[in-house]
This record gives sequence, C-alpha cells and structure tokens, in this order.
Amino acid sequence: GQQLNQSPQSMFIQEGEDVSMNCTSSSIFNTWLWYKQDPGEGPVLLIALYKAGELTSNGRLTAQFGITRKDSFLNISASIPSDVGIYFCAGEGSARQLTFGSGTQLTVLP
Amino acid sequence: DGGITQSPKYLFRKEGQNVTLSCEQNLNHDAMYWYRQDPGQGLRLIYYSQIVNDFQKGDIAEGYSVSREKKESFPLTVTSAQKNPTAFYLCASSLQQGWAFFGQGTRLTVV
Repeated sequence: GQQLNQSPQSMFIQEGEDVSMNCTSSSIFNTWLWYKQDPGEGPVLLIALYKAGELTSNGRLTAQFGITRKDSFLNISASIPSDVGIYFCAGEGSARQLTFGSGTQLTVLP
Repeated sequence: DGGITQSPKYLFRKEGQNVTLSCEQNLNHDAMYWYRQDPGQGLRLIYYSQIVNDFQKGDIAEGYSVSREKKESFPLTVTSAQKNPTAFYLCASSLQQGWAFFGQGTRLTVV
C-alpha cells in the first residue's frame, strides 16, 4: 500500500513556541488532511487541503498542500498547553481511502 | 446531535472468542471505515464500505469480518483467527472527499 513518512515522531516544546511537522509520500494524493488525537479518543479533523499549492489556516494552525502533491506540512504558532496530543497527517488517494502517517506526539512544557 | 458512535468503549475478550464492535452514524454518510491503531503507530485500514451491502478489504483484513446491512451501521467482528487483537479500534464515516469523521474508539483487550 501507499506509505506516508511523518516527522518528527515526537516534539517537546516550550509554551509559546511555534511548531512545524511534515509528511512526505512516495505517491501522489488528491487530498491532504491533518488530524489531532487526544489520549483515548478518536482523531479530530483540523485542516483539509484539496489543491496542490493550497495554503490554509485555522486559527493558530496553518497547513500547506505541496506542489508535487507528495507532501504537506502543518505549523502551529504560539503553542499552548491544550495543543498537547498526537497529530496525524493523512492522504486520500484512489477509492477514497485514507493513508495515515505514524503521528507526531507533541508535548508542550509550561 | 449528528455524530458517529462506537460501543462499547472498553471490551475484554477471552482467547478463542469472537467479539463484535458496534459503529453507528446518523450523519447520512455513504462511506464507513474501520481502522486499527497500535501504540506509536498510525491508523491501519481494516475494512471499508462505500455503499450498503458492499464492502472491501483494507490493508489488514485477516481475522476480521464486517457487514453493511444498513447505511447507519457498520459492525466489525474480531474473530478468533485474529492472533493479536489487542488494540484501539476506530470507526469513521465520510460523505465528501477527504472529510472522515471518527468515533470515540473501542479499546479491545484479550485476557
């Protein structure tokens, strides 16, 4: 199946710092999605990207759909304690199936 | 309120038993999915269904079975053939491109 490489695997940052994480793929995707998962809960959709080159913001979150359609990044500005969680990228290819990255565990230190 | 509901939240299974995880949605979504999540890993697709009475295997379907008799419901059975079933199971549904909504998950433990 298709593979997504998500990095970094984990991050420890100070409250107020900016965060950046990214995903790369060997295959082209039609849609890139970014989810956040809190412990013991299902992932919640943060941002959806539908066009190559698209840059979309949602509050302090900004994500971009790479021009090659094989990568995407997510930035979080001015992190706060409630940003803690696991962030997943996901790419939608053919047959409306989502392929997920392995996640970035974010810890925000006070 | 519209949403997707999984039950139970926690499930314990004895070796050799089949168990069924429930997933119900009232979002009128056509497509439904089952994923498995292991610690430190991403979500892996078990089965998906794009319309009623039709479903396809995902990447790790062995040892699992599903049915889609109603649009709202997509139950997953973990059979005794699944050798390592302890995991967090997530159900999702979607209507349009890319917008997959997830349930709260079921944590299955073999005892």
